[in-house]
Parts: sequence; structure tokens; C-alpha cells
Amino acid sequence: DTGVSQNPRHKITKRGQNVTFRCDPISEHNRLYWYRQTLGQGPEFLTYFQNEAQLEKSRLLSDRFSAERPKGSFSTLEIQRTEQGDSAMYLCASSLAGLAGGQETQYFGPGTRLLVL
Amino acid sequence: GEDVEQSLFLSVREGDSSVINCTYTDSSSTYLYWYKQEPGAGLQLLTYIFSNMDMKQDQRLTVLLNKKDKHLSLRIADTQTGDSAIYFCAEITDSWGKLQFGAGTQVVVTP
Repeated sequence: DTGVSQNPRHKITKRGQNVTFRCDPISEHNRLYWYRQTLGQGPEFLTYFQNEAQLEKSRLLSDRFSAERPKGSFSTLEIQRTEQGDSAMYLCASSLAGLAGGQETQYFGPGTRLLVL
Repeated sequence: GEDVEQSLFLSVREGDSSVINCTYTDSSSTYLYWYKQEPGAGLQLLTYIFSNMDMKQDQRLTVLLNKKDKHLSLRIADTQTGDSAIYFCAEITDSWGKLQFGAGTQVVVTP
């Protein structure tokens, strides 16, 4: 299976702990996106990378959140000092952006479901 | 997804057609997408339409786009129980491909 993979699939943590999620995109994809989805809502954009460069961060991404994509391949999303409001599904997506622009499909991973107690 | 609106729930009988509606606000959107999400899973791309098209058909799926009214719809012909899921409409909001999603329409297919 060469789709987008995410680990872990589920994470339960206590308030105040740090957590880290990993996303492995489709191998030739140069763009990687993180979204957060809460119950009953659509995914909301958090941040994205073009290769290893983080190009935009949403205002939803507080100082407790940090994302990296060190070699332009896999990415990690870390949440420090977790709060109950961080409980959500964290989705990763990747796409291949061509030089000429045009349609670029984002392929989503299965997500990591976080529960903060 | 406050800029993209969808009805929250649709119930349909197996074999009938389903129509899911969506309105969006960004008139500069170039592409509009429909994704499907089954319980506990990520999003699966169903289809997309370019903003200069009125209609796109892909097997049982038909997408209609009314750019003047900023209205998008997805029609599923011969709806099956496996079509029960949440369907999200999304628009591209910038040149970097960031997606803006609606809150999703839960489709329940009854025998």
C-alpha cells in the first residue's frame, strides 16, 4: 500500500503531557498538509509544507503546536502540554504540485485520533 | 468550515438517487471537491470539478456546479448501503492548495 500513513492511529494521554504524531506521505509528493477534525465538523487546516519548508500556519496552531518535515519526506506534529480541547482527529494529506499549476489532489491518511483526559 | 455550507443529514432508500448540496463563498475557487468519510476513517476523494465546468459525470456520481449561485451538488445514482457515510464538499482557497471544508452531510441508506 503506497498511500498516506499515519502513526499512531489512536492516542490517549493525560492533560499536560506532550504527544507526537507522524505522517508518511505518498513518496513522490512534495506538499504535505495537516488538518484537525473535531466531532461533527469538517477538517480545518493547520499547516502545510512544500518539501521541507513550512509555508503557512493557521491561527488554530497555537505556540504549543509544532510541525516539522526535516528531509521533505515524513512529517511530525507535536503538541506540548496537551489540553482537553486538543482532543480531535489529526489528519495528514499529501499532494504533488506541478510547476505549471493546475489541479492537485490531496490524498488523506487514516488520521490519528487523540483523546486528552 | 463556515465559508462552505452543507445540509447536515440525508436519508435515502437503497436504489434511489441521493443529492447532496453545498454552497461556497469564494468565487475565485478553482477546484471544488467531494470527499467521503466512513466511521473512524480518513477522507477518500470521490471526485472534483474545475470551476469552468458545469457538470462532471463519473460512473454513479454526477457533480453539478452553478458558479453564479456558488452552488455545488453531488448526485449518487442507485444508492447502495455502502454509500452510507459523511460527505464533505471542499473548495481550494489559495494558490497553495489549502482546502476549506463544509461540516459534512451524513447520508444514511435504508434497505
